[in-house]
Amino acid sequence: DTGVSQNPRHKITKRGQNVTFRCDPISEHNRLYWYRQTLGQGPEFLTYFQNEAQLEKSRLLSDRFSAERPKGSFSTLEIQRTEQGDSAMYLCASSLGSRSYNEQFFGPGTRLTVL
Amino acid sequence: LAKTTQPISMDSYEGQEVNITCSHNNIATNDYITWYQQFPSQGPRFIIQGYKTKVTNEVASLFIPADRKSSTLSLPRVSLSDTAVYYCLVGGFILTGGGNKLTFGTGTQLKVEL
Repeated sequence: DTGVSQNPRHKITKRGQNVTFRCDPISEHNRLYWYRQTLGQGPEFLTYFQNEAQLEKSRLLSDRFSAERPKGSFSTLEIQRTEQGDSAMYLCASSLGSRSYNEQFFGPGTRLTVL
Repeated sequence: LAKTTQPISMDSYEGQEVNITCSHNNIATNDYITWYQQFPSQGPRFIIQGYKTKVTNEVASLFIPADRKSSTLSLPRVSLSDTAVYYCLVGGFILTGGGNKLTFGTGTQLKVEL
């Protein structure tokens, strides 16, 4: 257990529905990241928060995706009008600015299946 | 971003030392080399990071030659529980505000048997 929690762990939805995932990072970590991972591939970066500010978004993050971190603590990732291609594991990670350059602490992920 | 190349898979037996080599010919001067481990249905876990020569922690050792164009992750005396995917990452991208976007490849699937 890294201290990063994600809920739900699994989500099955029908195409066209909206889904929301939550990430609770390690409490003192000011940086929070979302990644997406499909079968057989490594995680791909989606977006990044420094405290409550969303500072970077990947081109993978289409207009149907939105992420928030309202108080600089937990974060939510919402996918609107889900498509089958959205089926993946969504991973959240957090880090502290003073720690190792590339050390991020990942949660267990939320596995999304779009039928 | 420096591209990395590592074997798709490796097999070993319990008690053996496993060495996974990663090639990164285009590594930049300020890039670090980082290794992550990932078990099925879990997020990746940071193992070790280095810039040059040798780094050792309680889990693994990382060997980096002088030209830094490759690196080798060494796992001593592996057990069944070391069966996982191992990712070699180089550099990363400094995001606005000082964060770091990790760029993962497809990794090396290590399978340890009895």
